[in-house]
Amino acid sequence: NAGVTQTPKFRVLKTGQSMTLLCAQDMNHEYMYWYRQDPGMGLRLIHYSVGEGTTAKGEVPDGYNVSRLKKQNFLLGLESAAPSQTSVYFCASRSGTVYSPLHFGNGTRLTVT
Amino acid sequence: RKEVEQDPGPFNVPEGATVAFNCTYSNSASQSFFWYRQDCRKEPKLLMSVYSSGNEDGRFTAQLNRASQYISLLIRDSKLSDSATYLCVVNTNAGKSTFGDGTTLTVKP
Repeated sequence: NAGVTQTPKFRVLKTGQSMTLLCAQDMNHEYMYWYRQDPGMGLRLIHYSVGEGTTAKGEVPDGYNVSRLKKQNFLLGLESAAPSQTSVYFCASRSGTVYSPLHFGNGTRLTVT
Repeated sequence: RKEVEQDPGPFNVPEGATVAFNCTYSNSASQSFFWYRQDCRKEPKLLMSVYSSGNEDGRFTAQLNRASQYISLLIRDSKLSDSATYLCVVNTNAGKSTFGDGTTLTVKP
């Protein structure tokens, strides 16, 4: 009964390094999302996917890439990390009906020095 | 203009008070609406969905006004444990789920 699992939970990167955040869900959900949350702010949508093989840009997509090769996984990539990408990253998923709520992972705390 | 905007807050109220939060949305393709609660920057947790006819869950009442494009959350008889950040979420029929910036509530003894 895992729900939505994010790995890693914490990470420290140096400017210019790259990394991939993994989100996995076991609820057979069609839709998956990546958000970032900075101190004192709400969640801002980075990218989302409405099905395997599809992705779309959210509010703040610059500096990030995503892939949804399998329905259960949604990967968020940082090709060249910048201090401005220091944030808490949340992954979420929901079923394909418009009235379905989001289910969240526990978050990844990323620091870029 | 942000797609989803909330009362900036913060709200500081005594125990037992009634408090209301509002959230407006600009995308006319918005189809469904939710209120989430977030504690100490942990993952948001679903508080309640918002239905067109309005709905109640114990001390919590949610309302939707499609004509004016806003949703509201009313909390009656506030408890210390209600202290949290409350986030509204709007889903469009294209699959996008957008959050407001949240309103922080502190309930004091």
